[in-house]
Amino acid sequence: KAGVTQTPRYLIKTRGQQVTLSCSPISGHRSVSWYQQTPGQGLQFLFEYFSETQRNKGNFPGRFSGRQFSNSRSEMNVSTLELGDSALYLCASSQDPFGAYNSPLHFGNGTRLTVT
Amino acid sequence: AQTVTQSQPEMSVQEAETVTLSCTYDTSENNYYLFWYKQPPSRQMILVIRQEAYKQQNATENRFSVNFQKAAKSFSLKISDSQLGDTAMYFCAFSLIQGAQKLVFGQGTRLTINP
Repeated sequence: KAGVTQTPRYLIKTRGQQVTLSCSPISGHRSVSWYQQTPGQGLQFLFEYFSETQRNKGNFPGRFSGRQFSNSRSEMNVSTLELGDSALYLCASSQDPFGAYNSPLHFGNGTRLTVT
Repeated sequence: AQTVTQSQPEMSVQEAETVTLSCTYDTSENNYYLFWYKQPPSRQMILVIRQEAYKQQNATENRFSVNFQKAAKSFSLKISDSQLGDTAMYFCAFSLIQGAQKLVFGQGTRLTINP
């Protein structure tokens, strides 16, 4: 079974631009969540989607948005990029959004975004 | 709000030794989950071990075990017979049972196993 696939692996953007990151969950997994990882702030929860609906959102500005498609694939978008948005963005999927213990998160390898 | 604290930014031990990573957390909830994840240089977060707060018995997974002290809000990870492949960043994480996909992570401990 293929793991969580994130594309692209690396991305370089200029301040003010927008970017879209993609995540394909493990087959059969219906819940997708996104995390931002930076040296200063560590790992922070961005949002979670299940059945094309955002179920949970972290404390990030409205420039960060996401969506989930009917095949469970998810995208996240960051508009008007700032230097501080440089980070590793991790996507995770799970079968059951109501039980992280019995249905643990499976993470992808992340997308490394650099904003110059 | 929940917080997770890992007080050891870096640790280093010799292969085959036992090492313990510390984690404390703060919550007013009574039921929750605790996890340890490792992140090797490949960047992929891998679940190492998990614990349900209402279970008093400490979780074990092969060479990995935890010491869960609910009253002290402490959740340490012990790695026995450490191997070179255990070299990674280790993150302690907390989640509520409701909204269980939202993990709160500690800052991580960089563990190096030396040959």
